[in-house]
Amino acid sequence: DIQMTQSPSSLSASVGDRVTITCRASQGISNYLAWFQQKPGKAPKTLIYAASVLQSGVPSKFSGSGSGTDFSLTISSLQPEDFATYYCQQYNTYPFTFGPGTKVDLK
Amino acid sequence: QVQLVQSGAEVREPGASVKVSCKASGYTFTGHYMHWVRQAPGQGLEWMGWINPDSGGTNYAQKFQGWVTMTRDTSISTAYMELSRLRSDDTAVYYCARGHKLELLYWGQGTLVTVSS
Repeated sequence: DIQMTQSPSSLSASVGDRVTITCRASQGISNYLAWFQQKPGKAPKTLIYAASVLQSGVPSKFSGSGSGTDFSLTISSLQPEDFATYYCQQYNTYPFTFGPGTKVDLK
Repeated sequence: QVQLVQSGAEVREPGASVKVSCKASGYTFTGHYMHWVRQAPGQGLEWMGWINPDSGGTNYAQKFQGWVTMTRDTSISTAYMELSRLRSDDTAVYYCARGHKLELLYWGQGTLVTVSS
């Protein structure tokens, strides 16, 4: 199985900060990479797919980049509603696998 | 708009089976794969497999082969995920998620399945 790692595992940030989360795949996955946001007790929400394509309705403060094994998710200006856990997922190779998550909380 | 509405919470004893439903609306049900993902309490996300609602074809993660069954009823735009021989570590929230194909784009609200004697 392809192993997905994320860094950092958690981070503390302030409103207005620019935040970047990285995701690494144990082998190349082209651009078959998605990012999800999950708040406590809620279903995940898709932010980005195909590494950089913004899902419909997702604000442009979220952006994704990368290809192959290294990817990143950037939030340009953190807002209170952005404090959540973020997961990456590869869908290039079965079984599809998720990263362990990055928890973003208020500093 | 795309909506996926799942069935309510379930409690089962070890060894039993559970069937979770996911009713779709707002799009052509047969036009998009439906995936199932689970999340144990306090843990991360685990992909279980998908069903092609058009053909009924499935692709299960090897871990779940032999004890998960994904089906659909196109007449009511509903996908189902049945898990058999339940164990306590199957306690989790189970999500359906619709992709364009392999991407997970829209999510159901989740169904908590508790396995306990």
